[in-house]
Amino acid sequence: GQQVMQIPQYQHVQEGEDFTTYCNSSTTLSNIQWYKQRPGGHPVFLIQLVKSGEVKKQKRLTFQFGEAKKNSSLHITATQTTDVGTYFCAYATSGTYKYIFGTGTRLKVLA
Amino acid sequence: EAGVAQSPRYKIIEKRQSVAFWCNPISGHATLYWYQQILGQGPKLLIQFQNNGVVDDSQLPKDRFSAERLKGVDSTLKIQPAKLEDSAVYLCASSFLRGGGGNTIYFGEGSWLTVV
Repeated sequence: GQQVMQIPQYQHVQEGEDFTTYCNSSTTLSNIQWYKQRPGGHPVFLIQLVKSGEVKKQKRLTFQFGEAKKNSSLHITATQTTDVGTYFCAYATSGTYKYIFGTGTRLKVLA
Repeated sequence: EAGVAQSPRYKIIEKRQSVAFWCNPISGHATLYWYQQILGQGPKLLIQFQNNGVVDDSQLPKDRFSAERLKGVDSTLKIQPAKLEDSAVYLCASSFLRGGGGNTIYFGEGSWLTVV
């Protein structure tokens, strides 16, 4: 069955350092979404990737979808304390509209 | 635009008691989701509605959980009887379409349940 791993589980960085989280699937994904959840808050949509090899940027955030549509990454350049939270990938397998969330990467930024 | 509304925000009950959560999605959103999020884990989809029909409820523990979406708008999620492992945040979410093809899922603030 579908298996998607999100790594790392935790990441502590100094403010100003870069951060990357990865979402890896054993099967092809139809699309992938990324969400951010602040401590005590609810998941908030960041972006959706649909095309093979797609790269999208939002200010300091860069999102990539692998050529085989089996993996994705979220990279934050020069982290700030406002980046603190848990980042989730969410994916739907081909032919379904059922979104499954990854286990998340909890980011802590040390000032 | 008003967001997804949920109530109550917090609830503490004893095991074997019942509880109900209410959700009002964003106006015009056909798809409604209930997710369960246990502390430290990702949201787990319990049930997905398209208008007032169930699209997926494969992960809903049907012996104790039930959900309905009358008239294709508001929804309620009920747990009866509750177990200790049901302690979690219950997140309601909605989307305009059926979840694919550029479709954003909007979450409510969640209903925090503690079973003691």
